[in-house]
Amino acid sequence: DTEVTQTPKHLVMGMTNKKSLKCEQHMGHRAMYWYKQKAKKPPELMFVYSYEKLSINESVPSRFSPECPNSSLLNLHLHALQPEDSALYLCASSQGRWVGYNEQFFGPGTRLTVL
Amino acid sequence: AQKITQTQPGMFVQEKEAVTLDCTYDTSDPSYGLFWYKQPSSGEMIFLIYQGSYDQQNATEGRYSLNFQKARKSANLVISASQLGDSAMYFCAMREMNYGGSQGNLIFGKGTKLSVKP
Repeated sequence: DTEVTQTPKHLVMGMTNKKSLKCEQHMGHRAMYWYKQKAKKPPELMFVYSYEKLSINESVPSRFSPECPNSSLLNLHLHALQPEDSALYLCASSQGRWVGYNEQFFGPGTRLTVL
Repeated sequence: AQKITQTQPGMFVQEKEAVTLDCTYDTSDPSYGLFWYKQPSSGEMIFLIYQGSYDQQNATEGRYSLNFQKARKSANLVISASQLGDSAMYFCAMREMNYGGSQGNLIFGKGTKLSVKP
């Protein structure tokens, strides 16, 4: 199983809503990542988890709150978002942050629209 | 300074022809990896090919090959026998192994949008 799954595929939310994005992998990977991608731009790294611990937070606003409940699951909790947060949110996983060449496998993404 | 440069915002290629997508990089780390990802309009980033800085031979994966010229710091992707399904955005990325400023994370170029014409 070389798949990273993400739910939901699409999400529309108001600025006062609270929602969560979910990411799952069953490859035994110990590093998981959240990226944000605006249209026609490359992905921007948001968070990195290594062995279920937050390893990197790229100065992301606190309205984005990551959570790694176990080695297979990664959540991104959203609260009080702004319209400019509308983007494609990609989850990725790799064997480990410093294992081999660290190929990252990406999920299909969640397209988020904030009204 | 940009670490990964993709100078072609858009490219067209005729079906069944070969196409080269350019990528140059900048690093002082002697140990690094170079990656190419494909992103169709559906959004998923699909890993295509990898080249390590110490690899002596150019990487190949099916119709994809990486033309690695270390002295020139270039890692161009060659797609042979283009297919309509190859139409997508292509990103070149680098990972510096010895920490550096990028902390070992993937650094992406701005991408090249490839359109394959029937």
